[in-house]
Amino acid sequence: AQRVTQPEKLLSVFKGAPVELKCNYSYSGSPELFWYVQYSRQRLQLLLRHISRESIKGFTADLNKGETSFHLKKPFAQEEDSAMYYCALTNYGQNFVFGPGTRLSVLP
Amino acid sequence: DVKVTQSSRYLVKRTGEKVFLECVQDMDHENMFWYRQDPGLGLRLIYFSYDVKMKEKGDIPEGYSVSREKKERFSLILESASTNQTSMYLCASRPDKVYEQYFGPGTRLTVT
Repeated sequence: AQRVTQPEKLLSVFKGAPVELKCNYSYSGSPELFWYVQYSRQRLQLLLRHISRESIKGFTADLNKGETSFHLKKPFAQEEDSAMYYCALTNYGQNFVFGPGTRLSVLP
Repeated sequence: DVKVTQSSRYLVKRTGEKVFLECVQDMDHENMFWYRQDPGLGLRLIYFSYDVKMKEKGDIPEGYSVSREKKERFSLILESASTNQTSMYLCASRPDKVYEQYFGPGTRLTVT
């Protein structure tokens, strides 16, 4: 069965510190992986996807097929990064599976 | 700019009532989705539709049905609302060949 796990419910870091949000998945094929973000009082939006291999707002994520992980990283956290982050996967863009989410709190 | 709208931001219904949640997108997307969002569980897919009048069950379809009579509109129906259906409901859409989903603002449904 497809599954996405995010071990941390809440992650608190100080401004300027590095941040890593963990995501592990189980899937038998070759899924496409995403990170979605929800800022306070805003709708859920795409942050990045693994196939684009780009950096958005300073965040990057590398797909490690051996460890079935897709951790989200940023070298220097900013207060405006505080939000709820969801890791997600899909097979062929129909059934999407989301993780439980990690709330990132960046402290001043 | 893609716009996905949902008919209500907040809804309070009584147990046993029939509830309709409406979602409309204005970008001619073929695919539409309904999720429920619960703390600690993330988003769980209820139903999705890849074309008009087509629907597929997601991970938690029990107690729900959907309707897609027009391309831009996807309705979620709770035939007989129960308290365990109290949740935030999110609608999303995406075009074919692009896997990015665009989400609506959500409807917070409370069933008493």
